[in-house]
Formats: sequence, structure tokens, C-alpha cells
Amino acid sequence: SYVLTQPSSVSVAPGRTATITCGGDNIETKSVQWYQQKSGQAPVLVLYYDEQRPSGIPERFSGSYSQHRATLTISRVEAGDEADYYCQVWDFSSDHVVFGGGTKLTVL
Amino acid sequence: EVELVESGGALVKPGGSLRVSCAASGFSVSDKDINWVRQAPGKGLEWVSAAYSGGGAIYADSVRGRFTVSRDTSKNSLSLQMNSLTADDTGVYFCARDGDNAGYMFDLWGQGTLVTVSS
Repeated sequence: SYVLTQPSSVSVAPGRTATITCGGDNIETKSVQWYQQKSGQAPVLVLYYDEQRPSGIPERFSGSYSQHRATLTISRVEAGDEADYYCQVWDFSSDHVVFGGGTKLTVL
Repeated sequence: EVELVESGGALVKPGGSLRVSCAASGFSVSDKDINWVRQAPGKGLEWVSAAYSGGGAIYADSVRGRFTVSRDTSKNSLSLQMNSLTADDTGVYFCARDGDNAGYMFDLWGQGTLVTVSS
């Protein structure tokens, strides 16, 4: 089955840039979604189809690919960005939705 | 207001059954694919099922043959029937709308309902 790999944690100071990666076989051929989940809340879609932002999501959130990994970049990080972040794809070969294990973003 | 509201979570014994529901408002469940995603305590997100607006559903390997999704258009809701439950099925169950049918991008989530499987 298809596996998405994320770092378990990332720490960043306020005002700096956070980068969260998501690795998987040939991930460049898939559309990647990113979700933010704050403690005790439901997930919120922050990026879809690799780099598209839903309405209401700040431009500080952006998506890209680098070195065979999808990347979520959060610029000018704020305390309110502290949350768990999950990447997600549709795996055509298995007809399954796949989530990464999640990355806990800590704002120092 | 556009929203999803889950209900029906409960404490159930291993081997038992439970039905959880997802009520939609502000849009028709007949027009959108709806997915179920669960989260075990302290763990990550796990996809459970997708119910297609045109009919039919698919399931994760871990629940196929035990879980069944059904749609009630008169109530604008979906239900997830869960049978032969084990401790591994414990968690918060979210329903999530696919914003672009078969695009598997979940743009609207409910608040979740807690299912606990324990003796």
C-alpha cells in the first residue's frame, strides 16, 4: 500500500518560515492536499491540488515539490499556526485515500 | 450555513455494532461525495470510506466487509453502519465533504463523534 512519510515534529520561531515535507513514491504524479488540525478540533483544508488555497486561507501558506517530496511552507509563522499538519493523496493503484502520519508544528 | 454534524458515537462492547450519522446542511448530500475519516486517540488521521454522489462506496482494507455506508436523501444525511467492532476501531469519526467530487480534497469537516470499543 502507498505510504506518505512526514517528519513527526517541526519547530520554528515566530516570524520565521516553517517547512513541512511529505514523501512518497512518485508523489510528483499525485495531487497533494494539506490539512491543519488544532488541538481538539476537526481538520481544516489549507492547500489542495498541490498549491491551491481555499478561500480564507492566508497567502502565507504555500505548496510545492522539492527533491521528490511535497512541501508545505508557512511564511511569517504566527502562534496561531501551531497545530498538527497532515498531507493526503488519492492512490489510484489501491483506490484508497492515504494520509501522512502528521507533523506537529511547534511555534517557539 | 454550510456544515456537517456527526452523531451516534457511543461506548460499545467488542464484537458489537454501532451506527453513526452525518447530517448535512447548506448543500445536498446527493450532489457531493462524502468520506469518513477516523482518528484513534492521540494518533493520526485514517481514511475509512468514500460514498460517491452517483452511488456506490469504497472502503479501507481495515473495515471492508464490516462497515457499510448508506445515504438518506430525505434527511440529507449519511450513515456508517459498523459491525464486528474491535478495540482498533476506537476513535473520533469525522465525515468530510469532497469539494470536487472524486478530487479527494476534503473542504468541509464535521466536528466528529467518538466511538469507544471496550468491554
